[in-house]
Amino acid sequence: SQTIHQWPATLVQPVGSPLSLECTVEGTSNPNLYWYRQAAGRGLQLLFYSVGIGQISSEVPQNLSASRPQDRQFILSSKKLLLSDSGFYLCAWQRTGTETQYFGPGTRLLVL
Amino acid sequence: AQKVTQAQTEISVVEKEDVTLDCVYETRDTTYYLFWYKQPPSGELVFLIRRNSFDEQNEISGRYSWNFQKSTSSFNFTITASQVVDSAVYFCALSENSNYQLIWGAGTKLIIKP
Repeated sequence: SQTIHQWPATLVQPVGSPLSLECTVEGTSNPNLYWYRQAAGRGLQLLFYSVGIGQISSEVPQNLSASRPQDRQFILSSKKLLLSDSGFYLCAWQRTGTETQYFGPGTRLLVL
Repeated sequence: AQKVTQAQTEISVVEKEDVTLDCVYETRDTTYYLFWYKQPPSGELVFLIRRNSFDEQNEISGRYSWNFQKSTSSFNFTITASQVVDSAVYFCALSENSNYQLIWGAGTKLIIKP
């Protein structure tokens, strides 16, 4: 069966510091991968998605970036965090050619 | 344009009551998929159901049931005999055949009081 991991689970970072959130998927090959952000009490905002290694599409211009160095690894990064980057970050995977996305446990980021 | 509307921001009911969460969608595609996800307080989004546009049969899974009506572009979710553990935010989403990305509703926060 497939499993998706995210870490860290929670993170408190000062404004201007760098960020690296990691997502890995087990039990499947060549998945589509997604990064979402959810502000407190709000809906989901798609940030990035990837259909393969090194292939990243950005949905929202911002100070975040994503990379996919390996087939089942998806990383969300920032060089300098802003207060507005606080939120709940969710990674999701989707089997290629299918429609359902499955989500990881999420990372709660608080920027102070 | 594609859009998913969950007009109910928050619903509060007493345990054992039935509750229906509404979802209305807009799409120009003839082939599309509709989803419901549950987000409990822990935060993880849990997949509940997927329906494709060619299958209008209602679905029942235990206390959960889904009513898909293309005529009204709705995909409503009913919880029968609600329980405190059903308290969560529920999201409806749409995926069009031309694009497997999900279009999300704003979510409905469901509070089940004991």
